[in-house]
Amino acid sequence: EDQVTQSPEALRLQEGESSSLNCSYTVSGLRGLFWYRQDPGKGPEFLFTLYSAGEEKEKERLKATLTKKESFLHITAPKPEDSATYLCAVQEFTSNTGKLIFGQGTTLQVKP
Amino acid sequence: NAGVMQNPRHLVRRRGQEARLRCSPMKGHSHVYWYRQLPEEGLKFMVYLQKENIIDESGMPKERFSAEFPKEGPSILRIQQVVRGDSAAYFCASSRDWNTEAFFGQGTRLTVV
Repeated sequence: EDQVTQSPEALRLQEGESSSLNCSYTVSGLRGLFWYRQDPGKGPEFLFTLYSAGEEKEKERLKATLTKKESFLHITAPKPEDSATYLCAVQEFTSNTGKLIFGQGTTLQVKP
Repeated sequence: NAGVMQNPRHLVRRRGQEARLRCSPMKGHSHVYWYRQLPEEGLKFMVYLQKENIIDESGMPKERFSAEFPKEGPSILRIQQVVRGDSAAYFCASSRDWNTEAFFGQGTRLTVV
């Protein structure tokens, strides 16, 4: 069964303390891996799409990387406003429906 | 360019009533997805629609749930005879094509009392 696992479930950082979030996946073939940010009571906000191993994308303090089995979301010198739940989702290669399989998310808290 | 619009944002229904959730996709998007987020659980795919067609409903419960995306107007997710277990946040997403990134609305939070 296709599966997406995110770790850790929760992460507390001090402002400026860099860290990484992990997303491991098992699918028959990966078409794309997506990162979203979700604030409490809001809908997921699109961050990145990665398509092939070795690909990297950056946006402000965030950098996403992809290997054949996992993706990392690196957060450099985080600020309190980076506090949110970060969701990883995969789209299977054999699917032509756009369906996303989501992980449970990592809830990040950045303290000033 | 307005984002994905969902309404209502909050909906309270008594057991046995019907719930209708609406979603207007982003301008230029003709692909719509519905996801459900149960308390303390991740987002689960329910259904994928294009204009007037249901493409993939593999995540929809077999009974009481239906979805449509008419030629004119918003997509509708309909839940008949709601039960307490239907209480959840329902999110709609839209994309320009089936293999491009999907953008989410703010969700409808359904509470069944």
